[in-house]
Amino acid sequence: DVKVTQSSRYLVKRTGEKVFLECVQDMDHENMFWYRQDPGLGLRLIYFSYDVKMKEKGDIPEGYSVSREKKERFSLILESASTNQTSMYLCASSGYNYGYTFGSGTRLTVV
Amino acid sequence: GENVEQHPSTLSVQEGDSAVIKCTYSDSASNYFPWYKQELGKRPQLIIDIRSNVGEKKDQRIAVTLNKTAKHFSLHITETQPEDSAVYFCAAITSGGSYIPTFGRGTSLIVHP
Repeated sequence: DVKVTQSSRYLVKRTGEKVFLECVQDMDHENMFWYRQDPGLGLRLIYFSYDVKMKEKGDIPEGYSVSREKKERFSLILESASTNQTSMYLCASSGYNYGYTFGSGTRLTVV
Repeated sequence: GENVEQHPSTLSVQEGDSAVIKCTYSDSASNYFPWYKQELGKRPQLIIDIRSNVGEKKDQRIAVTLNKTAKHFSLHITETQPEDSAVYFCAAITSGGSYIPTFGRGTSLIVHP
């Protein structure tokens, strides 16, 4: 069973802080994704990666960056957190069969 | 790019009734259509999917239908139970493309006991 683990379930950070959200998958999946989920807006893609050290912008990359130094780990970075980045962040991974597995999510509050 | 519209945004039914959630997509090259269920406070999980060479797929109380000509697909839940209450997301994927799902905005299903 594929596991996608997000390091934190809840985070509270101050405006202007640099925030790291970590995601690890254990099924050797090539593809990893970061989404944010807001009420009424569904799942919006922030960044994705097809391979180590490779990254592509999604629909809403502004204010975020990512890092993929190892195949199993994909990190989302908020360079300078702002209150409008308060949200639920979901990591996902997939292999070549399109199967998508989500992590449990990190609920980030920026105060 | 692909665009997926999902309706309704909220659906309220009595236990035992059927529920239907509909999605339309814009890219005729899309050929894989998964459905995800997200219970409150939990991760979205795949509950059923359908590929473009199939018109209907069933798994116990849930079924998905696909009309490629009209570019829409639907999730059908029969004999609803309170534990079916969740947010349901549809998605469309194009193989040979980016393999990235385009998600609908979700339907909040509430099943009243």
